[in-house]
Amino acid sequence: EDKVVQSPLSLVVHEGDTVTLNCSYEVTNFRSLLWYKQEKKAPTFLFMLTSSGIEKKSGRLSSILDKKELFSILNITATQTGDSAIYLCAVVSQGGSEKLVFGKGTKLTVNP
Amino acid sequence: KAGVTQTPRYLIKTRGQQVTLSCSPISGHRSVSWYQQTPGQGLQFLFEYFSETQRNKGNFPGRFSGRQFSNSRSEMNVSTLELGDSALYLCASSPRQGANEKLFFGSGTQLSVL
Repeated sequence: EDKVVQSPLSLVVHEGDTVTLNCSYEVTNFRSLLWYKQEKKAPTFLFMLTSSGIEKKSGRLSSILDKKELFSILNITATQTGDSAIYLCAVVSQGGSEKLVFGKGTKLTVNP
Repeated sequence: KAGVTQTPRYLIKTRGQQVTLSCSPISGHRSVSWYQQTPGQGLQFLFEYFSETQRNKGNFPGRFSGRQFSNSRSEMNVSTLELGDSALYLCASSPRQGANEKLFFGSGTQLSVL
C-alpha cells in the first residue's frame, strides 16, 4: 500500500528560526513529489519535485528530493509568523492509474 | 481569474441524510478532483472527473458519488450519512487530467454529521 509519512507532526518555533520538514514515502512507481501549504482551509502549491538532488527554491523556502533514500525535505529559513500553517507532502504514484497520496501534514507554528 | 469556488462553506446534517456539495473550477480547467480531510486520516482522494467522466476513484464506499457537468462544474453527493463522514471536503481543479498536475484547491465545505 502506498504510504507517505511526514515528520514531525507539529513544530513550534520562534520568528527567525530555520526549520526542516521531512517527508518519506513508499509508493508504486514514483512519478513526482509535491509540497502544499495549508493556511485555514485551501492548500496552495509550493513545489513539484521529480528529479533527485535538484533543489527548488522560492524566497525563503526550498525543497530537495532524494529518490534513492525515498524522502524529501522542505526548508524554511528566517521564519515569520505568516509561515504558520500545515505543510502537506504528496506523492504521485503510477500503479495502474495515477494516484496522489498525501501525508498527514506537519503543523508549523511560528511565534513572534 | 477567479479561484476554485466551493459551496456551501458549512453544512450540518444528521445521520441517514444525504448531502450534495458543489465545486466550480478555475475557468479553463477541465479536471476536478475531490478530497476528504480529517484530523486522523489527513487528505484522502475521493475521485477525479475530466470531460464529464470519472477518470479515477479512491477507496471510498459507493455512498460517495459525483458528477461533472459540461461547464466543468462538479457536484459530490454523500448518501446515508454516517458520523464518520464529518470532515472538510476539498475540491481541486487543474487544466489537465491526472494526478501529476499542480492542483488549485478551493476553501472546502466543512460537513458536520450529528
